[in-house]
Amino acid sequence: AQSVTQLDSQVPVFEEAPVELRCNYSSSVSVYLFWYVQYPNQGLQLLLKYLSGSTLVKGINGFEAEFNKSQTSFHLRKPSVHISDTAEYFCAVSEPQGAQKLVFGQGTRLTINP
Amino acid sequence: DADVTQTPRNRITKTGKRIMLECSQTKGHDRMYWYRQDPGLGLRLIYYSFDVKDINKGEISDGYSVSRQAQAKFSLSLESAIPNQTALYFCATSEPRDYNNEQFFGPGTRLTVL
Repeated sequence: AQSVTQLDSQVPVFEEAPVELRCNYSSSVSVYLFWYVQYPNQGLQLLLKYLSGSTLVKGINGFEAEFNKSQTSFHLRKPSVHISDTAEYFCAVSEPQGAQKLVFGQGTRLTINP
Repeated sequence: DADVTQTPRNRITKTGKRIMLECSQTKGHDRMYWYRQDPGLGLRLIYYSFDVKDINKGEISDGYSVSRQAQAKFSLSLESAIPNQTALYFCATSEPRDYNNEQFFGPGTRLTVL
């Protein structure tokens, strides 16, 4: 069975500071990895995904994530955050074959302070 | 227009009442999913459907049932609502022929059971 752990439930940062949201996963097979963002009162929107190939993945809104197989991690980073990045961020894992089910982490609430 | 829509967006009901949440999609995807989101727990899969004739239980299906009326419609029912079913419910879709397991989410239904 797969599982995802997001190590921080809340991350407060100042505007224009860098941020890293941490995600570790557990799986006995190869995986696809995703980061979704949920803005207040909205549904989930895909930020980026890792399927294969280059371990550094670039997404929308200046975010990027690095897949580290040996550490089973997929941390999300942004070099300079903006007030509009305030949202909840979810890491998710899926097996490449089969039902395409997503297993989500608990979420990290990112708060940007001016 | 949104590709994945959910109705109602908000619902308050009483313990013991029957509730139906509806999801429609215009993406033409075969696969549809129902999740619930609780603070600190992320999203958990309730049911998923590969097509009209294929319904599968997810991680937390007890107390819920579903109906896939057409490729584009997937409804979630609470036969006798209880307070711990108070949550944010999301519908999602995916297309297996895309080979990337990306899911597309609706805006959510906030359900409160008193």
